[in-house]
Amino acid sequence: SQQGEEDPQALSIQEGENATMNCSYKTSINNLQWYRQNSGRGLVHLILIRSNEREKHSGRLRVTLDTSKKSSSLLITASRAADTASYFCATDASGGSNYKLTFGKGTLLTVNP
Amino acid sequence: GAVVSQHPSRVICKSGTSVKIECRSLDFQATTMFWYRQFPKQSLMLMATSNEGSKATYEQGVEKDKFLINHASLTLSTLTVTSAHPEDSSFYICSASPLPGQTAYEQYFGPGTRLTVT
Repeated sequence: SQQGEEDPQALSIQEGENATMNCSYKTSINNLQWYRQNSGRGLVHLILIRSNEREKHSGRLRVTLDTSKKSSSLLITASRAADTASYFCATDASGGSNYKLTFGKGTLLTVNP
Repeated sequence: GAVVSQHPSRVICKSGTSVKIECRSLDFQATTMFWYRQFPKQSLMLMATSNEGSKATYEQGVEKDKFLINHASLTLSTLTVTSAHPEDSSFYICSASPLPGQTAYEQYFGPGTRLTVT
């Protein structure tokens, strides 16, 4: 089953606005991570939130996790053109092989100057 | 810290030939390394997991004889695409973790290798 599905698939905003991306997953998890990928490049780790955490901040990033709804959101405040990238959530499932990260399809964020 | 490099960044090869991609952890020892494949505008799909000195574990549907993985040291893993076909053209990304087995969710990603098979 597909784990970690982001929505929206694409988001276009103006510089200075906030961007919110959501991620849903199907099975119980240990951790949920958010990554950024610039076009044609590797992944950059943004933030990790554990299953017993509800909210986490890192600079302009705010991540929430609702395990009852099996969903997470990534908020980027005061966006910049340099934030233009694809954003993926990745989960590692509790029990069994929890080292396997399952990625969603990603949200393509475009920040217009 | 936690830098992972890949070489080459881009490679073009002819159908039927083999190509090797290297993944190195530059400033830490990678107990576990992972290889992913990503098609355009798609997500990453895990191909295989390797631990230093042991055989790689392949995901369902990934041909182990076609995608040879060697994790010869704690800083180097290689992926060899054998008898490449145009449908093997893709973006291959490796990741490395300093942690073993069940805790290897802490992964650091390489910049990726764009493979084009003509």
